[in-house]
Amino acid sequence: EIVMTQSPPTLSVSPGERATLSCRASQSISSNLAWYQQKPGQAPRLLIYSSSTRAAGIPARFSGSGSGTEFTLTISSLQSEDFAVYYCQQCNNWPLTFGGGTKVEIK
Amino acid sequence: QAQLVESGGGLVNPGGSLRLSCAASGFIFSDFYMGWIRQAPGKGLEWVSYISSSGSTIYYADSVKGRFTISRDNAKSSLYLQMDSLRVEDTAVYYCARKYYAMDVWGQGTTVTVSS
Repeated sequence: EIVMTQSPPTLSVSPGERATLSCRASQSISSNLAWYQQKPGQAPRLLIYSSSTRAAGIPARFSGSGSGTEFTLTISSLQSEDFAVYYCQQCNNWPLTFGGGTKVEIK
Repeated sequence: QAQLVESGGGLVNPGGSLRLSCAASGFIFSDFYMGWIRQAPGKGLEWVSYISSSGSTIYYADSVKGRFTISRDNAKSSLYLQMDSLRVEDTAVYYCARKYYAMDVWGQGTTVTVSS
């Protein structure tokens, strides 16, 4: 089973600033990585798949990059609605596994 | 549009059983792998079980292996999770989700509370 590690656990950012979230896989997963956003009381929402492809309806301020074992989610200019928890998930090998999450909070 | 609706959660005593259901609509259910993912209070996402489109391939997390059984009925566009020998640590919101390039469609979740 592939272990996914996210950092940092918490990221404090001011509105309008850039946020950079990291995700590392315990072995190569090519570009088969997804990012999800979850707000309190809601189900996760798919943001990015295949490392860098935005899901339908996701704003362009969200971008993903990386391949192999190192991945990054960047939110270019944080809006109030972006403060949430973000999870990565590897989609290369079954079973698909999640990282522990990064909480993006208001600074 | 694609939609998933879970049901069957509730309060159960340790050692008890529950059966969760997930009704799919708006897409060809039999074309997709499906999964159950849970989230304990204040914790992150934990995959529980996945099942292939035909039901022939199944994965279980070690934490539920031997106690939970995933199944699907493609004719009814439904996914199930039979949970036996429930433990306090199984308390969580349980989500069903569809796997395309990633888990692209999620239900709203159903809450399972295991407590005496």
